[in-house]
Amino acid sequence: ELKVEQNPLFLSMQEGKNYTIYCNYSTTSDRLYWYRQDPGKSLESLFVLLSNGAVKQEGRLMASLDTKARLSTLHITAAVHDLSATYFCAVDMYSRRDDKIIFGKGTRLHILP
Amino acid sequence: DAGVIQSPRHEVTEMGQEVTLRCKPISGHDYLFWYRQTMMRGLELLIYFNNNVPIDDSGMPEDRFSAKMPNASFSTLKIQPSEPRDSAVYFCASSPWRDSNQPQHFGDGTRLSIL
Repeated sequence: ELKVEQNPLFLSMQEGKNYTIYCNYSTTSDRLYWYRQDPGKSLESLFVLLSNGAVKQEGRLMASLDTKARLSTLHITAAVHDLSATYFCAVDMYSRRDDKIIFGKGTRLHILP
Repeated sequence: DAGVIQSPRHEVTEMGQEVTLRCKPISGHDYLFWYRQTMMRGLELLIYFNNNVPIDDSGMPEDRFSAKMPNASFSTLKIQPSEPRDSAVYFCASSPWRDSNQPQHFGDGTRLSIL
């Protein structure tokens, strides 16, 4: 059974600091997604990672994928208050017989001004 | 593009009542997903459809839940009878064909409260 674990689940950090959110998964996958959710809002797609070594960046966020380690990271550089949100990773196994997309529990990020 | 449209945005009803949630996916998207989000259990996939056909309903909690997709532009999730533990935010999402490397697009959700 595919398991997706994010850590930390809660993170409070100061503006201007760097930090990394980790997403571990238990079996091989085809794709990995990162989403952002603001309180009371829907999920917004941030990144789609397709292959080993993939790295994507948007502003202060950078996501990477290591399929051999079954690990994806979301790195925040010089955090600003506007990045406060919950971040989810999701692992997609569409080409397998057990075709599923499994979400992690999310990392609630609070950036202090 | 209007995005994924869900209705109602909020629903408050008494235990035992029938609840119907509605979803209109993005035009041209082949896949439609229903999720439930709670603090305790996080985001759970309930069921998904491909070209209006249910593919995997293993996440549907019990027989009180049912979902239909009568055509490419409309889906419903029904709970009958509803129970307080069904209180959650229910999201609908759609995506193009599965090997398009496109993420799912989520609707704004329906916040359901069962009293």
